[in-house]
Amino acid sequence: GAGVSQSPSNKVTEKGKDVELRCDPISGHTALYWYRQRLGQGLEFLIYFQGNSAPDKSGLPSDRFSAERTGESVSTLTIQRTQQEDSAVYLCASSLNRAGFGNTIYFGEGSWLTVV
Amino acid sequence: AQSVTQLDSHVSVSEGTPVLLRCNYSSSYSPSLFWYVQHPNKGLQLLLKYTSAATLVKGINGFEAEFKKSETSFHLTKPSAHMSDAAEYFCVVSDSRHTGFQKLVFGTGTRLLVSP
Repeated sequence: GAGVSQSPSNKVTEKGKDVELRCDPISGHTALYWYRQRLGQGLEFLIYFQGNSAPDKSGLPSDRFSAERTGESVSTLTIQRTQQEDSAVYLCASSLNRAGFGNTIYFGEGSWLTVV
Repeated sequence: AQSVTQLDSHVSVSEGTPVLLRCNYSSSYSPSLFWYVQHPNKGLQLLLKYTSAATLVKGINGFEAEFKKSETSFHLTKPSAHMSDAAEYFCVVSDSRHTGFQKLVFGTGTRLLVSP
């Protein structure tokens, strides 16, 4: 597609439920990133994929968070047993490759998650 | 560790007057630096990037930024503000040579308000 696509755009869920957030990167982009943006704050790095593997998961806040990527394309971020502090915008981004020093990283419009 | 500090959480200007959004960075290596803009309910858009070429970087919509190593600064400027410039601006640092990939570290953002 023309840009990074994320779904759902908005999700309201009850505390304790699991949620899945999907990201379709720009075609041909091997690097994929997930970030989280809490209200009024900057973005926090969650995880980075190169192809289907995740060399850096250091930003995942707890073991309730996991992510996978298949076919060097679509990625899913899963949050289990959601808590109210998980409410945020989850942003996916992609770029051509990891070694691109200064490669442009393109962001999707985000999935707004509200846990009630 | 890399970090950026955006010195102002809010900046208010009148339409037609200059814009200055301040950013200081900290990095152990020669970093890449970026400015992203986020309009309400829109995704992040890259305004400009510095990757060790010219220290004065020109971006979209008339914005530019100057990399000053001696001051560890990367301030964003525009000669004349337009109403459509009202948005949240993020200063971002990345050091792919240290992390092995473009791990973006975001500042907390500066909200630019433009009055008629």
